[in-house]
Amino acid sequence: KAGVTQTPRYLIKTRGQQVTLSCSPISGHRSVSWYQQTPGQGLQFLFEYFSETQRNKGNFPGRFSGRQFSNSRSEMNVSTLELGDSALYLCASSTRTGGYGYTFGSGTRLTVV
Amino acid sequence: AQTVTQSQPEMSVQEAETVTLSCTYDTSESDYYLFWYKQPPSRQMILVIRQEAYKQQNATENRFSVNFQKAAKSFSLKISDSQLGDAAMYFCAYRSPDGTSYGKLTFGQGTILTVHP
Repeated sequence: KAGVTQTPRYLIKTRGQQVTLSCSPISGHRSVSWYQQTPGQGLQFLFEYFSETQRNKGNFPGRFSGRQFSNSRSEMNVSTLELGDSALYLCASSTRTGGYGYTFGSGTRLTVV
Repeated sequence: AQTVTQSQPEMSVQEAETVTLSCTYDTSESDYYLFWYKQPPSRQMILVIRQEAYKQQNATENRFSVNFQKAAKSFSLKISDSQLGDAAMYFCAYRSPDGTSYGKLTFGQGTILTVHP
């Protein structure tokens, strides 16, 4: 079956702009989580959605937001981009509890100039 | 809050040899999950192996096995018969019990593994 699909793979934006990233989970997976990966901070949890509801949120400013649609696809949005938002953004999908592990996508590389 | 520490920023191994990657974690929870993920240059995080804390038996997946020491809060990964395709960044990750901290994995800083032919 198809894996987790993230689009676009690469993105270049200017400071102050906003950006929307998309994630399509594995069929049947209803939980979608988002992570930010940078060389300095490593992998940090952004938020998790299940059945269109945000169940958990990491320690990021309100400029970072997300949503999930009825087909479990998820989007994350970053408004008023800053240079420090440059990162690899990964999404992961899982079954309801995630105890069997999370399947990750290949990520979106965001560069803010 | 839980923390995960990988003390080896880089490791190297000869093809066909065995290598062990270290991971320690800190938690006050008694039931949790631990994972090892591999991230090759393609960027996709690939699940290598998982361990449930309530199971004393160490998990094994083909050439990959773990040494889970719950009391010591240690979770090392052993790769046997190393192959060139094993070269990647390896991350140790912690997940809280079911029903708490939904969707959140806490990752270590990673270990870059180089495999020499």
